Amino acid sequence: QSVLSQPPSASGTPGQTVTVSCSGTFSNIGSNTVNWYQHLPGTAPKLLIYSNNQRPLGVPERFSGSKSGTSASLAISELQSEDETDYYCSAWDDSLNAWVFGGGTKLTVL
Amino acid sequence: QVVESGGGLVQRGGSLRLSCTASGFTFSHYGMTWVRQAPGKGLEWVATVKQDGNDKYYVDSVKGRFTISRDNAKNSLYLEMNSLTADDTAVYFCAREVGLGSYGVGYYFDIWGQGTRVTVSS
Repeated sequence: QSVLSQPPSASGTPGQTVTVSCSGTFSNIGSNTVNWYQHLPGTAPKLLIYSNNQRPLGVPERFSGSKSGTSASLAISELQSEDETDYYCSAWDDSLNAWVFGGGTKLTVL
Repeated sequence: QVVESGGGLVQRGGSLRLSCTASGFTFSHYGMTWVRQAPGKGLEWVATVKQDGNDKYYVDSVKGRFTISRDNAKNSLYLEMNSLTADDTAVYFCAREVGLGSYGVGYYFDIWGQGTRVTVSS
């Protein structure tokens, strides 16, 4: 059971907007910033969103992040087939003194 | 970039040392982290060591068994793993940690390696 809660799966058709949620507690999301990673199994994970809503250079504007209280969200607009992979949220937990990840959301592009 | 090595097949109760070699950035300026992914599971943070090598953090399940360390002169990060169990079977990723100020605010992992596979057999 992961400390951060994500839906195990999400889906959408090309061109749609899909949102992935990440729920935590005061000691992690409520107190610290949230990061999102994109991971195609067998490859290196990729930083997608950092500090709640910042995009690293090279990440398309289609990807956006937000945070409110103890929850965060990743939105992917103009969905493309290449977006079909796994997405993870993560934050530092002040109580556990540890980095925590969500269980991951597998995105399917129909 | 960062490149992991040292993975392999080891018997339950055995030991293994993973290495991660960094290039293209000033290694001593960054915290470094190990993250793993067990078969069919999600990403799990394992350990982090700060720039000077003195501050270290571990996930509870590896405390007392794993040791993270670094050699800034060699641009290298290590993970010494002892008393291995089947639950340690995973691909282990090395990642660079970025951030300043209050830990957890504005910190993230921005450069990741391809991973090295560790298999613990019973």
